[in-house]
Amino acid sequence: GQSLEQPSEVTAVEGAIVQINCTYQTSGFYGLSWYQQHDGGAPTFLSYNALDGLEETGRFSSFLSRSDSYGYLLLQELQMKDSASYFCAVRGGATNKLIFGTGTLLAVQP
Amino acid sequence: DAGVIQSPRHEVTEMGQEVTLRCKPISGHNSLFWYRQTMMRGLELLIYFNNNVPIDDSGMPEDRFSAKMPNASFSTLKIQPSEPRDSAVYFCASREGYEQFFGPGTRLTVL
Repeated sequence: GQSLEQPSEVTAVEGAIVQINCTYQTSGFYGLSWYQQHDGGAPTFLSYNALDGLEETGRFSSFLSRSDSYGYLLLQELQMKDSASYFCAVRGGATNKLIFGTGTLLAVQP
Repeated sequence: DAGVIQSPRHEVTEMGQEVTLRCKPISGHNSLFWYRQTMMRGLELLIYFNNNVPIDDSGMPEDRFSAKMPNASFSTLKIQPSEPRDSAVYFCASREGYEQFFGPGTRLTVL
């Protein structure tokens, strides 16, 4: 089967940098995604890594190490609006489905 | 495009009643997913269609749950009979490439 682990909560201050880690177990790995979900909203796509290395999109970057079954999401120049839940999700298995982690609740403080 | 459309947005029903949730994926997307989200269990994949065919329904909780996709622009998730433990937010999503687009969700409360 597929499973993912990520911290349940992270707190940081405005303007800081925060890293949210994710470890996974899956067969037939295709890629690791990150999604953001504000309270009461739907998950929205942030990034996708299929190969090892760092992908940068504005203030957000995502990293993958397939040999370590590990990835992280890096958020820079934190803003209050970044307060949300962040989910890592792995594409894999026999049917190439997307399975989500339990989510990390990020609280950005002034 | 209007994005993924779900209806109803909120549903309150009594235990034992039938509930039908509806989803219209983004036009041109070939894959459709139904997820359920609760505080206890997080975001669970229930079923996944590709080109209107169910590919993986291993997440469907039990026989009370069924899903159909009669054409590329419409899918339903039905719960019959509903139980209080089915209370959750149900999301539909469609996929283009590696990006999944989620609808706004249906908040289901079973009393």
